[in-house]
Amino acid sequence: GAVVSQHPSRVICKSGTSVKIECRSLDFQATTMFWYRQFPKQSLMLMATSNEGSKATYEQGVEKDKFLINHASLTLSTLTVTSAHPEDSSFYICSARDSTLNTEAFFGQGTRLTVV
Amino acid sequence: GIQVEQSPPDLILQEGANSTLRCNFSDSVNNLQWFHQNPWGQLINLFYIPSGTKQNGRLSATTVATERYSLLYISSSQTTDSGVYFCAVALMDSNYQLIWGAGTKLIIKP
Repeated sequence: GAVVSQHPSRVICKSGTSVKIECRSLDFQATTMFWYRQFPKQSLMLMATSNEGSKATYEQGVEKDKFLINHASLTLSTLTVTSAHPEDSSFYICSARDSTLNTEAFFGQGTRLTVV
Repeated sequence: GIQVEQSPPDLILQEGANSTLRCNFSDSVNNLQWFHQNPWGQLINLFYIPSGTKQNGRLSATTVATERYSLLYISSSQTTDSGVYFCAVALMDSNYQLIWGAGTKLIIKP
């Protein structure tokens, strides 16, 4: 199957700082990528849809200014958590589909963010 | 919108046992996937199965699209099968945005 690489896998940062998470499709092009957040013992919650070359579409209740998404190329989307606070601590996961196939979605390894 | 329900929510089995996980969805879908989330959080694609039956080793899945359900079968369970199994569906006209079930937590005891 296709490979999606997410980096870093784990990050600890201080309150008030910003953290950037990268999501790369390694062997296919993805015009659309998705960013999820997962709370303990819960399912995935969609945060935003990242569209190559245009603005991301955010789900209701997700702060655009706090969670900045950039999808500058067909293989890379980034999520920046700005001015992080302890309540932003969570597991963040990205996914991508091969734009030419429009079939299954593949997921990155996830990023465990801890804000102290 | 579409509702996705998974059952059972929790399942504890002895190694070697077989299991069946169910996913019901409330509307017609273009995409249905089964995932295994391991203890480290990695989501592993098991099946892309909007309809029909597929098998991969000890795992198999069947989706009956007309009746809006899918089943995941795990035979001869191993401790490494432990984790959470998610079903997710999508519609083509929703940009293939996945709608997720709540998951089934499977624990395989040695």
